[in-house]
Amino acid sequence: NAGVTQTPKFQVLKTGQSMTLQCAQDMNHNSMYWYRQDPGMGLRLIYYSASEGTTDKGEVPNGYNVSRLNKREFSLRLESAAPSQTSVYFCASSGGGRYAGELFFGEGSRLTVL
Amino acid sequence: GNSVTQMEGPVTLSEEAFLTINCTYTATGYPSLFWYVQYPGEGLQLLLKATKADDKGSNKGFEATYRKETTSFHLEKGSVQVSDSAVYFCALVNNQGGKLIFGQGTELSVKP
Repeated sequence: NAGVTQTPKFQVLKTGQSMTLQCAQDMNHNSMYWYRQDPGMGLRLIYYSASEGTTDKGEVPNGYNVSRLNKREFSLRLESAAPSQTSVYFCASSGGGRYAGELFFGEGSRLTVL
Repeated sequence: GNSVTQMEGPVTLSEEAFLTINCTYTATGYPSLFWYVQYPGEGLQLLLKATKADDKGSNKGFEATYRKETTSFHLEKGSVQVSDSAVYFCALVNNQGGKLIFGQGTELSVKP
């Protein structure tokens, strides 16, 4: 029973390098989300996808891009990493509609940018 | 705009103590309210929810009542265990099905 799977779990980058965080869900959910979690800041929404083929900016989208590859997969790309992007990143999915707000989270990806 | 405010942590309690974590919100319309829990090294999990005023959400001994008059959704548990040590997040989503908005989280530490 996989739920939401994120890869990689840990990554260290140098400033200016690029990388993609992968996320896949097996619950047939329409909506998918990328959050970042920083100490004392709670969770902040980076991007979300309400349905396959659509993506929208969240609270902190600068420096990131996303791709909703299909209904299952939603990737987050850092084109030129900066130390301010050091964080723990969480992917989540939701059935949407009357299940709005009921999110299923992955285990997180811890990214360090030197 | 919509926002959620939680009491600051960390909260440290002894096992079997009573727990309250305060949460208040600002929202237009009639939001749905949630508590999520994050155990160390894990992602968040939905703990309980309430979708309308005076609803009580409950799960695993935790309870929270949707109080529209005080715009609050305080989390309570009568007797905490060491295994309840985690970070607790209050959250809301508006009734137009918008995005989930989280409070900043409250860390709970329960000592034996």
